[in-house]
Amino acid sequence: SQQGEEDPQALSIQEGENATMNCSYKTSINNLQWYRQNSGRGLVHLILIRSNEREKHSGRLRVTLDTSKKSSSLLITASRAADTASYFCARYTGTASKLTFGTGTRLQVTL
Amino acid sequence: DAMVIQNPRYQVTQFGKPVTLSCSQTLNHNVMYWYQQKSSQAPKLLFHYYDKDFNNEADTPDNFQSRRPNTSFCFLDIRSPGLGDAAMYLCATSRERGISYEQYFGPGTRLTVT
Repeated sequence: SQQGEEDPQALSIQEGENATMNCSYKTSINNLQWYRQNSGRGLVHLILIRSNEREKHSGRLRVTLDTSKKSSSLLITASRAADTASYFCARYTGTASKLTFGTGTRLQVTL
Repeated sequence: DAMVIQNPRYQVTQFGKPVTLSCSQTLNHNVMYWYQQKSSQAPKLLFHYYDKDFNNEADTPDNFQSRRPNTSFCFLDIRSPGLGDAAMYLCATSRERGISYEQYFGPGTRLTVT
């Protein structure tokens, strides 16, 4: 399977704490994307990191990429209850238009 | 300001009764996708249109068809829904086809098969 693996599968933290999610993949990539999905809703694109980048920031989000280990991590700093969602890494595999998603991490942020 | 719109948000159909889900976009994007997402799983690509060019995934059942009558609209037809087709169906768009483009998703249609 070309599906990426994410860990942990589920993560529960308190508001204000940091949340780290990891994504591993098997094939080489040009870039890796992260998406958020609120419960019962569509996905929202968060950030794209290219293979020649090691780290990228967007607001409270920090994404790292280690192509030698074929892994990426998403860090959410100072989490809020509104960050409660599932987070997926995704990359293009096979034909250029096939975006393959990882298994996802369900994040629960409690007050 | 909705960019990718899906109707209906919830659809209940009977086993074997054809059903059509619709998607429209205001982004004028060339590519439209349909994904199936089952509970607690990752979205799985069913097919996509690049302009009028239809691209089916090899493992998409024949029961699933799609139409794109114009740039803005795309439909997912399930000819004979089975219980295993109950899922969230997500429509997405991208400006062009290629590995550098992000995809924009609609809110999804949750399909229940009774």
